[in-house]
Amino acid sequence: KAGVTQTPRYLIKTRGQQVTLSCSPISGHRSVSWYQQTPGQGLQFLFEYFSETQRNKGNFPGRFSGRQFSNSRSEMNVSTLELGDSALYLCASSKGTSEQETQYFGPGTRLLVL
Amino acid sequence: ILNVEQSPQSLHVQEGDSTNFTCSFPSSNFYALHWYRWETAKSPEALFVMTLNGDEKKKGRISATLNTKEGYSYLYIKGSQPEDSATYLCAPLSGGGADGLTFGKGTHLIIQP
Repeated sequence: KAGVTQTPRYLIKTRGQQVTLSCSPISGHRSVSWYQQTPGQGLQFLFEYFSETQRNKGNFPGRFSGRQFSNSRSEMNVSTLELGDSALYLCASSKGTSEQETQYFGPGTRLLVL
Repeated sequence: ILNVEQSPQSLHVQEGDSTNFTCSFPSSNFYALHWYRWETAKSPEALFVMTLNGDEKKKGRISATLNTKEGYSYLYIKGSQPEDSATYLCAPLSGGGADGLTFGKGTHLIIQP
């Protein structure tokens, strides 16, 4: 069974630009969650999508948005990039039937904002 | 947002020694606790999901206990090996899990040969 994949793996953008990151979950998984990790911070929850609907949302500004497609693939968009958005962005998938389920993480996208 | 504390922040252990570290979280409205291991240049890997007070889980040389009444979990590694070097993250869930996983900053474990 293929694992969670994320594209691109590395990305360099400049302030003010926007970026779209992609996540393909494990086959059969309907939930995709997104996390941000910055230096000195733990993994911070951005949002979770299940069956094309945002089910949970963390405490991030509206510049961070996402969506999920009918095949459960998910995209995350960050508009008007700021230097502080430089981070590792991880997505994780699960079946989505219980929050007690294990989440399976992708390799992440490392975003650098100059 | 849950206040999750992991201690120590980092730990150097001699190969063959046993070690343990702590995850503290608010005990009110507890729902579940996840433990993950994150090796450098890899993805976080799930170790355990714990839900019941007094729960004890084991996976090879790694085990974990849970005390939901006082709000802490211990992770133990017996006979540490170099491949155990990683950051160990805990993530409690509260209130039915509606707020997503809140990760601690992790314990960075280095096993010295």
